[in-house]
Amino acid sequence: DTGVSQDPRHKITKRGQNVTFRCDPISEHNRLYWYRQTLGQGPEFLTYFQNEAQLEKSRLLSDRFSAERPKGSFSTLEIQRTEQGDSAMYLCASSLYPTGGGNEQFFGPGTRLTVL
Amino acid sequence: GENVEQHPSTLSVQEGDSAVIKCTYSDSASNYFPWYKQELGKRPQLIIDIRSNVGEKKDQRIAVTLNKTAKHFSLHITETQPEDSAVYFCAAPEGGSSNTGKLIFGQGTTLQVKP
Repeated sequence: DTGVSQDPRHKITKRGQNVTFRCDPISEHNRLYWYRQTLGQGPEFLTYFQNEAQLEKSRLLSDRFSAERPKGSFSTLEIQRTEQGDSAMYLCASSLYPTGGGNEQFFGPGTRLTVL
Repeated sequence: GENVEQHPSTLSVQEGDSAVIKCTYSDSASNYFPWYKQELGKRPQLIIDIRSNVGEKKDQRIAVTLNKTAKHFSLHITETQPEDSAVYFCAAPEGGSSNTGKLIFGQGTTLQVKP
């Protein structure tokens, strides 16, 4: 499968614990995005990278959240001291930029986080 | 920043009928408008997109139209089939340009196609 992959697919944790998710983008894609999706809502932007550079973070993103893409390939998203409000689907997407006009983003299957 | 509104929130049609979902956006500089289909428990899947230099784009049974003056774009599905049942999301780029990379999504439309 040459699409975007994410690991783990499901994570259940207790409030206050730290969690880390991994995203592997489509191999030639230089941009990688993280979104969060709650039930019944559209994906909400968290942050994105171009190669290894983190170009933007949502101002809604708490400082408990941190993301890295150290070698410009896979990325990790860490949430420290999880709260019940962090329960959501965390989606990763990648794109090849520039693409000549658009910025087609392709999503991974997501990591569903449940904080008890 | 960009604001995207999507209507209706739910849509039920008979198999074979057409379905239309509409989105409005706020930033007149926006130049790229994708549509995603998300089946239950699955990833959002890019099904069609349109750039601001064209007014319409078609791909088999789906089409997207763009009205830059009114700042709205619509998804049209003809000859609907039960497998079209899903949640559909529209999106537009924050800051207007597709260069920013950040997409703002609509609230989603749950389409049900009754056999």
